[in-house]
Amino acid sequence: DTGVSQDPRHKITKRGQNVTFRCDPISEHNRLYWYRQTLGQGPEFLTYFQNEAQLEKSRLLSDRFSAERPKGSFSTLEIQRTEQGDSAMYLCASSWGSDEQFFGPGTRLTVL
Amino acid sequence: QQPVQSPQAVILREGEDAVINCSSSKALYSVHWYRQKHGEAPIFLMILLKGGEQKGHDKISASFNEKKQQSSLYLTASQLSYSGTYFCGTEGAGNMLTFGGGTRLMVKP
Repeated sequence: DTGVSQDPRHKITKRGQNVTFRCDPISEHNRLYWYRQTLGQGPEFLTYFQNEAQLEKSRLLSDRFSAERPKGSFSTLEIQRTEQGDSAMYLCASSWGSDEQFFGPGTRLTVL
Repeated sequence: QQPVQSPQAVILREGEDAVINCSSSKALYSVHWYRQKHGEAPIFLMILLKGGEQKGHDKISASFNEKKQQSSLYLTASQLSYSGTYFCGTEGAGNMLTFGGGTRLMVKP
């Protein structure tokens, strides 16, 4: 399978805990994006990388969120001190430049 | 700055046509269209670039009016498999996509 993969697919955590998600993009893609999607809404941009450089971060993104792409391949998204409002589907996508983005299956986060 | 999509929902009979519109308040470099089925990831349909270049599936057509900052997706001879939520994503300065709220399409036999 050469598509975008995400792990885990589901995560249930208690408020205040830290969580980390992983995204493995399509191998030849240089851009990697993180989005958040809540029920009935479109994906909301969080941040993106070109190779290992984080080039853009949403102004709406709390300081509790951090993302890395250390070697320009896989990426991790960490949420510290989770809140109930963080419950959502976290989508990763990759692309070659500004070409079409290919989305992964997402990680569904539930904060209790 | 989220693009506005219309209609919010549409119900079709198999074989009917539909148009989904996307309108932005800011200057656009490109418009991307995706379809998402319940519980699945968005699937790429079409990208329209400033200057007229397009890339997408043969059975999907779309237009991009750069001056009006609007795009339309044309679904002809709809099939049951067309059901889902359609999102437009607009790209302005910054290489990031801002997605609209979606148009829910249901195709009935």
